[in-house]
Formats: sequence, C-alpha cells, structure tokens
Amino acid sequence: DQQVKQNSPSLSVQEGRISILNCDYTNSMFDYFLWYKKYPAEGPTFLISISSIKDKNEDGRFTVFLNKSAKHLSLHIVPSQPGDSAVYFCAASGAGGYQKVTFGTGTKLQVIP
Amino acid sequence: DGGITQSPKYLFRKEGQNVTLSCEQNLNHDAMYWYRQDPGQGLRLIYYSQIVNDFQKGDIAEGYSVSREKKESFPLTVTSAQKNPTAFYLCASSIIAGSTDTQYFGPGTRLTVL
Repeated sequence: DQQVKQNSPSLSVQEGRISILNCDYTNSMFDYFLWYKKYPAEGPTFLISISSIKDKNEDGRFTVFLNKSAKHLSLHIVPSQPGDSAVYFCAASGAGGYQKVTFGTGTKLQVIP
Repeated sequence: DGGITQSPKYLFRKEGQNVTLSCEQNLNHDAMYWYRQDPGQGLRLIYYSQIVNDFQKGDIAEGYSVSREKKESFPLTVTSAQKNPTAFYLCASSIIAGSTDTQYFGPGTRLTVL
C-alpha cells in the first residue's frame, strides 16, 4: 500500500523554465511533508519541508505547496537549472513523538540546457 | 568535516552468506536509520535506533539485524534469511527521532548477491 505516491516517474524541463513535481498521499494522519533530492550513487539530501499548518513554504528557487483537502503537495523550482537534474523524493510523517517517514517512489527531473 | 560514512560503496557476496554493512556518523546524532531502495520504489525503513543500545524494527526488518553499541555506529547485517538482498542500502541519522527532524543520509552501499 503506497501511502505516498509520485505518479510521474520522470519529467523533462528546459533550463530557465518552471519545474513542477507532484505528490499525493492517502494517510490523513500525515502532518509533515518533506522533499529530498538525490543524485546517482549518492544519498538523498534534504531540500525543503512544510508543516500541515501552512499551505506554502519557500526557500530560494524552491517552493512547496500543500493542499490538505486534496491530499496533494507540489514542489516548484523556478528557474530550473541543469544542476537540478536529480531524483526528487516526496516524504511524509505523522505528528508527535517518533513517526516514521514514508517516502514516495521518486520523480527523475532532467533539466535540459 | 561532519557527516555519515558508509562502507563499502559496492559489495558482492555469494548467496547464503551473511554480510555486514557499515554506517558511521560524527554528527553527534542520537537517531540512526537503515533504508533499502529498489528500482521504482521509495525508500523503505528496515530498522531504526533512537538511542544507544536500543533499536526498533521498521517495515521490512525480516532477514536483517542491527546493533547500536556506540552512538556513532549502526551496522546492518544482511543475513541469509533475507530472500532478495540485492539492493541499494542507505543509512541516515537525525538529531533525535522526531517526526519533523531532518534525516541526513550517507552515500549508500550497493549490495549484489550472486
């Protein structure tokens, strides 16, 4: 049962344009959401997060939007750069104490120069 | 230079052999984690440890064992009971095992069982 879904396995975008990566979740107890970025043969690195009390969080070129009613979040990268080419994992966890992080299957972003 | 190290980067073993993957961190983090990544799948949690001398099973603990004798180290043993051990293994750590605590990942070990 995949509780965090990234339905697009890959995405290609021209350099300078916007990249939009989508993520859907099914568990209404999820309260905290994260995006990780992963280059080949490396471990994921934390990119940006959002709490369920917010609907938007911005960090430089990266913005995460959360729509709780639709159980949907998205990561916007503007402008996209070739160095952004990587696999992006959406992740979610519940609130309070230790709650394991559930990861999506990842979306491979290619930014074309 | 703080971080998480995993060794070796690539590991080959014969079927039926146990193998231990190393994970060391010098971030002074209390919590450590082991994940497995397979093609087309997300990261799946094998084991986690919130503090020294304590660890808990994750979603796919069968066929694996861990120990946490030191804060810095969280080795994972892939036993012969693991039905499909060939995968990319990632170790992570966080300051505490809180739901909002950022996990920092090592570079991973790719295990191939022949």
